[in-house]
Amino acid sequence: GEDVEQSLFLSVREGDSSVINCTYTDSSSTYLYWYKQEPGAGLQLLTYIFSNMDMKQDQRLTVLLNKKDKHLSLRIADTQTGDSAIYFCAESTEVSGGGADGLTFGKGTHLIIQP
Amino acid sequence: GAGVSQTPSNKVTEKGKYVELRCDPISGHTALYWYRQSLGQGPEFLIYFQGTGAADDSGLPNDRFFAVRPEGSVSTLKIQRTERGDSAVYLCASSLYQGDTQYFGPGTRLTVL
Repeated sequence: GEDVEQSLFLSVREGDSSVINCTYTDSSSTYLYWYKQEPGAGLQLLTYIFSNMDMKQDQRLTVLLNKKDKHLSLRIADTQTGDSAIYFCAESTEVSGGGADGLTFGKGTHLIIQP
Repeated sequence: GAGVSQTPSNKVTEKGKYVELRCDPISGHTALYWYRQSLGQGPEFLIYFQGTGAADDSGLPNDRFFAVRPEGSVSTLKIQRTERGDSAVYLCASSLYQGDTQYFGPGTRLTVL
């Protein structure tokens, strides 16, 4: 079955880089996503990476994918107080390969910013 | 442009009652998804529509849950004989087509007393 694992908490100092890690089990994953959820709000898409890529950069965000180890990471450079939120890793799989049509999410990583 | 909208934002009901939750997807998006997010958990997939038909309802927990999308746009998630364990945030997402990036609404927080 599909499973996505994340650490529950990450604490960093303002201005440092944050690295949030995620592991998944389904080798037929096609896209991997990072969503951000602030208190009381819905999920905001941050970035995504196709499974045949190993890196994607978008301003302060860098996504690294190690497909062999089924490991995904999100690096946030120069972390700010506004980055405080829960970050969800999610995967989608090929429906033709038996994957579900919906995304499979991890439990989320709470990013805590220390002043 | 408008994003995905969901109504109501909050719903409090009593055990055993019937509730309906509404989702308005992004205009032009053919695919629509419902998820349920319990406290401290990530969203869990419930059901997916491609156009008017439910293409995958494998995530619905039991037959008390049902969803429709009669005109291929707005969708309604219906829960019969609600139970306290149904309390959660119900999220709706839409995408241009199946497999494309999903954009989420703000959710409906359902509380069953």
